[in-house]
Amino acid sequence: KAGVTQTPRYLIKTRGQQVTLSCSPISGHRSVSWYQQTPGQGLQFLFEYFSETQRNKGNFPGRFSGRQFSNSRSEMNVSTLELGDSALYLCASSLGDSEAFFGQGTRLTVV
Amino acid sequence: AQTVTQSQPEMSVQEAETVTLSCTYDTSESDYYLFWYKQPPSRQMILVIRQEAYKQQNATENRFSVNFQKAAKSFSLKISDSQLGDAAMYFCAYKRTTSGTYKYIFGTGTRLKVLA
Repeated sequence: KAGVTQTPRYLIKTRGQQVTLSCSPISGHRSVSWYQQTPGQGLQFLFEYFSETQRNKGNFPGRFSGRQFSNSRSEMNVSTLELGDSALYLCASSLGDSEAFFGQGTRLTVV
Repeated sequence: AQTVTQSQPEMSVQEAETVTLSCTYDTSESDYYLFWYKQPPSRQMILVIRQEAYKQQNATENRFSVNFQKAAKSFSLKISDSQLGDAAMYFCAYKRTTSGTYKYIFGTGTRLKVLA
């Protein structure tokens, strides 16, 4: 059974640009969550989607957005990139009320 | 709001020895899940062990076991017979059982070094 797949693995963007990250959950998992991991702030919850609906949102500015498609794949978008957005972005999928399974992350560097 | 605290930024253990990683949490809820995740240099978060708060019995997975003290809001991870492959960042995490959310709250992590 394939795990959670995140693409791309690495990205380098310039300040002011926008970026889209993709996450394909484990087959059958309908919940997808996104986390930002930085050395200073640790792992912070961005948002969670279930059956194409955003159920929860973390304390991030409106530049961070996401969506989920009917096949449960999810994308997150960051507009007007800032240097502080450089981080590892982790996606996790869940089946029901169980543990989350994480992807390998996308390393975003903003220069 | 719920919080998770890991007070040990870094720990070291000799190969084949036992080490305990600490985690405390704060919540006003009575039912929840607690997890330990491992993040090796590959960056992928791997579930080590989970504990349901309503269960009094401590969870065990092979060489990994927890000491869950609900009243003290403490959830420590014991790694027995440590192996070089155990070297990683370890994160303690909390999740409510209320349906409608799969949001995790993570601690700041403990870096475990295993010495040969």
